[in-house]
Amino acid sequence: GAGVSQSPSNKVTEKGKDVELRCDPISGHTALYWYRQSLGQGLEFLIYFQGNSAPDKSGLPSDRFSAERTGGSVSTLTIQRTQQEDSAVYLCASSLMSVAGGPGLDTQYFGPGTRLTVL
Amino acid sequence: KQEVTQIPAALSVPEGENLVLNCSFTDSAIYNLQWFRQDPGKGLTSLLLIQSSQREQTSGRLNASLDKSSGRSTLYIAASQPGDSATYLCAVRPGGGSQGNLIFGKGTKLSVKP
Repeated sequence: GAGVSQSPSNKVTEKGKDVELRCDPISGHTALYWYRQSLGQGLEFLIYFQGNSAPDKSGLPSDRFSAERTGGSVSTLTIQRTQQEDSAVYLCASSLMSVAGGPGLDTQYFGPGTRLTVL
Repeated sequence: KQEVTQIPAALSVPEGENLVLNCSFTDSAIYNLQWFRQDPGKGLTSLLLIQSSQREQTSGRLNASLDKSSGRSTLYIAASQPGDSATYLCAVRPGGGSQGNLIFGKGTKLSVKP
């Protein structure tokens, strides 16, 4: 079946511009996560959505970052007034559920990522 | 604050060798631990997930162990192959399970030489 998809695969933008990154999770997955991976750094959690609950935004690095999830499916991560330090690979993941649900239900499946370069 | 460390950062072995990758975490209050592999320019592929109540999980040539009290996990790869070359990431899900995000180590880059 179809996995997690992300678009665009690559995005080059100028400092100060806004960018939108899209994630299509696996159909039926109620939990969706955004992470970023900077050069030489580990994956850093940004935000996650679980069903209709309020998202956990505790990982967002600044108020320039925001995310939405429409209809419990597609999610968009928006970065306003991009800075060079925002350059990274942005990864999206989804799982059947995020609350305690037993083996296999909270395994996170990752998309291929969007490589963002801010010039 | 939970921190995850992976040692070594890079490893090169000849084909056929058995090898062990190490992961340690500072807070033993985890819900589960997951091992992933990442190929260059690609996303992560889940390999094994160990619940906090489990000691190990096996899949094919892979075996992952978990010692929660000491804050350690190992990933054992038997009879390594060139196709195993990738970066291997360890991640823990903290707390009682209500917190959904994973905390990752920086990975071990494995190279298996033919």
